Amino acid sequence: GQNIDQPTEMTATEGAIVQINCTYQTSGFNGLFWYQQHAGEAPTFLSYNVLDGLEEKGRFSSFLSRSKGYSYLLLKELQMKDSASYLCAVRDRDDYKLSFGAGTTVTVRA
Amino acid sequence: DGGITQSPKYLFRKEGQNVTLSCEQNLNHDAMYWYRQDPGQGLRLIYYSQIVNDFQKGDIAEGYSVSREKKESFPLTVTSAQKNPTAFYLCASSLRTGRRGYTFGSGTRLTVV
Repeated sequence: GQNIDQPTEMTATEGAIVQINCTYQTSGFNGLFWYQQHAGEAPTFLSYNVLDGLEEKGRFSSFLSRSKGYSYLLLKELQMKDSASYLCAVRDRDDYKLSFGAGTTVTVRA
Repeated sequence: DGGITQSPKYLFRKEGQNVTLSCEQNLNHDAMYWYRQDPGQGLRLIYYSQIVNDFQKGDIAEGYSVSREKKESFPLTVTSAQKNPTAFYLCASSLRTGRRGYTFGSGTRLTVV
């Protein structure tokens, strides 16, 4: 099984940077995903890491350390529209399904 | 464009009724999933299916049933045995090892009245 932890809430100012940490314990690892979810809507894909290191995609970056069971999502140049819940998810090596953390609600203030 | 469609968007159920949530995808994905989302609890897996005519229970399958008669369709029935069905239900599909993980439907919000 998977055990995935991430902070419940974070607040930041428009234009700033926020880092959302995710730690996981897994019986089999086959990739880590970050999704963004606005209230009442479906999650949308942000990033994917399967090897150690940093993946950069515009204002969003994601980092993975498999030996530490640790990932973070970095949001730069925050905009009001980035106010949302961010979900960390780990894919199981054996049956390929995703297990999700409870999500981190990010509030961006003017 | 391919996608995954859930219907209805909003659903109201009376006590003791069974209701069925629809999920259809035209992405040619083998695997399909049903999750339930409650405030502050993230996504919890109800059922999943990796091939037609086969499915497995997730972490919270009690009070729910599914079928997978076609690759494109994975309907979820919320039975009267589910004592607290009010929630946001998400259907998803995926390739087994794709780089994008899941593609989600837009969700169904079920309310017991």
